[in-house]
Amino acid sequence: AQSVTQLDSQVPVFEEAPVELRCNYSSSVSVYLFWYVQYPNQGLQLLLKYLSGSTLVKGINGFEAEFNKSQTSFHLRKPSVHISDTAEYFCAVLNNFNKFYFGSGTKLNVKP
Amino acid sequence: GAGVSQSPSNKVTEKGKDVELRCDPISGHTALYWYRQSLGQGLEFLIYFQGNSAPDKSGLPSDRFSAERTGGSVSTLTIQRTQQEDSAVYLCASSFTSGAGNGELFFGEGSRLTVL
Repeated sequence: AQSVTQLDSQVPVFEEAPVELRCNYSSSVSVYLFWYVQYPNQGLQLLLKYLSGSTLVKGINGFEAEFNKSQTSFHLRKPSVHISDTAEYFCAVLNNFNKFYFGSGTKLNVKP
Repeated sequence: GAGVSQSPSNKVTEKGKDVELRCDPISGHTALYWYRQSLGQGLEFLIYFQGNSAPDKSGLPSDRFSAERTGGSVSTLTIQRTQQEDSAVYLCASSFTSGAGNGELFFGEGSRLTVL
């Protein structure tokens, strides 16, 4: 079965600092990769996705992620975070059987 | 509707009662998921419907939980004899999965269940 690992359950960071949220998945076949964000008291929304093509994917709010097939990783990055980026971030994989698998989430806490 | 609709948005019930949670997916979406999100926890997969295939029920925590999807559209999640540990936000999501399998998941706002 597919698995998605987000090693960091919480990431505290100061405003304007860079951040990387890690995501690794287990698969030897093609997958499609997603990052979702859940702002406080809101539903989940898509941040970005990798389907094919360039391994560097840009999403909303200045976030980007890089697909690394050899390391089976899809880490999320932002060069300078804002207070408004405080949220929980979920990495997800869609396998070739059209089923989604989610990581356990990483809570990003941006401090002033 | 424009998005995934869930009802009720909030439900407070007494321990031992049965509850039904409803999900209206985006029209035309063939895949439908139910997840549970407990306070401070991540997404717990419950059940997955894909077209006319048999649902993947591997995430249902006990036989008190069941779900159905009528006509390939609306889905109902039923929890029988609710327990306090069932208190959580129940999220529904749907997607249109093409042959390329690149369907994005769209989430509803969730149904917050509180069992007293």
